[in-house]
Amino acid sequence: DTAVSQTPKYLVTQMGNDKSIKCEQNLGHDTMYWYKQDSKKFLKIMFSYNNKELIINETVPNRFSPKSPDKAHLNLHINSLELGDSAVYFCASSHDSLYGYTFGSGTRLTVV
Amino acid sequence: KNEVEQSPQNLTAQEGEFITINCSYSVGISALHWLQQHPGGGIVSLFMLSSGKKKHGRLIATINIQEKHSSLHITASHPRDSAVYICAAWDSNYQLIWGAGTKLIIKP
Repeated sequence: DTAVSQTPKYLVTQMGNDKSIKCEQNLGHDTMYWYKQDSKKFLKIMFSYNNKELIINETVPNRFSPKSPDKAHLNLHINSLELGDSAVYFCASSHDSLYGYTFGSGTRLTVV
Repeated sequence: KNEVEQSPQNLTAQEGEFITINCSYSVGISALHWLQQHPGGGIVSLFMLSSGKKKHGRLIATINIQEKHSSLHITASHPRDSAVYICAAWDSNYQLIWGAGTKLIIKP
């Protein structure tokens, strides 16, 4: 199936650990994104990559780092996890910055 | 005041009813996006529009740039349409500003 897939769907981990969330899209899109859903259910952009270049980098802590090995993948690495990092993280891709957004199903991260 | 506001926040209707969800925005936008979030969390892109009207199946989206207003309509609603519908606007810096969502429940 054509889709944006994220793994894992659920991630429970202890404070201080380092974890990664993977995202893959087989839609042939040229831009991928990471969003964090806050407590009010708003999605706030964290990063986006276009042709392996970081084009949006919101003021997120540098403990968060995106890694894009190729156009179809954008992984999110988080170092030294904190309680406040608990949230749902969504990956998305689009044909360009204005068209055809498709989202992954989200990863619920719980830091204990 | 949020830059993108949706109404209503919650909507419960009977199967077959015509549904309208409204979105107003205060930012200057280049395009507006309607998305559907299912209970399991998956988000599906429904429409991206910058003018006029788009139709896909039973879904219709309209936008009035002058009035800074968009509507999503569902004709002949069905229980499987139950989801959260999200309006999101692209501002002039291509940042996606999300509305709070409208939770729609269609009862059989």
